[in-house]
Amino acid sequence: ETGVTQTPRHLVMGMTNKKSLKCEQHLGHNAMYWYKQSAKKPLELMFVYNFKEQTENNSVPSRFSPECPNSSHLFLHLHTLQPEDSALYLCASSQETGGYGNTIYFGEGSWLTVV
Amino acid sequence: AQKVTQAQTEISVVEKEDVTLDCVYETRDTTYYLFWYKQPPSGELVFLIRRNSFDEQNEISGRYSWNFQKSTSSFNFTITASQVVDSAVYFCALSGSYLKTSYDKVIFGPGTSLSVIP
Repeated sequence: ETGVTQTPRHLVMGMTNKKSLKCEQHLGHNAMYWYKQSAKKPLELMFVYNFKEQTENNSVPSRFSPECPNSSHLFLHLHTLQPEDSALYLCASSQETGGYGNTIYFGEGSWLTVV
Repeated sequence: AQKVTQAQTEISVVEKEDVTLDCVYETRDTTYYLFWYKQPPSGELVFLIRRNSFDEQNEISGRYSWNFQKSTSSFNFTITASQVVDSAVYFCALSGSYLKTSYDKVIFGPGTSLSVIP
């Protein structure tokens, strides 16, 4: 069983839809992350939460809205997305933030297609 | 500048061949960590190894081995006797104290896509 699970694995949504991606980590970590991976582009860090507090918003458009109710769960709420938002969205976790060298563990990703 | 370069965009090898994936990094830190991740077609980035800058010993894990050379700022990854299941994108990454803000900021390289042909 993977330590970080994401649902759904695949999502197709229209530009006017509202949907959410869910992530749960079973590793006892305190930090959680959302990354975006588009074709032919490097991994992009979107959001970071440490002990449920958002510590980083990497200039992400407001149509992406994260929510972290506790250290084990992370959501990404999606609203009025654009076709260029189609990508693989990866959730990850690490022991904590603020100290380098912590290994980041990733989930399997949610493949999002915006039509 | 903090940077990770993986000059090989795509590599194809025939099964059972050995293959080396190159990783060159830039950092001002004296203490830092290097990582390798594997991303199969399913999407998940699988953690393979973490190495700190003070440990220059090469590491071997089964068919995988890593060669860390501070003198050339390289952390290369070799797969011996490659198999079709090794086909994936491999990412090298760097984390250092200079990058410390309020969170861990891991710099990922662009990745090398490895295809192992049966």
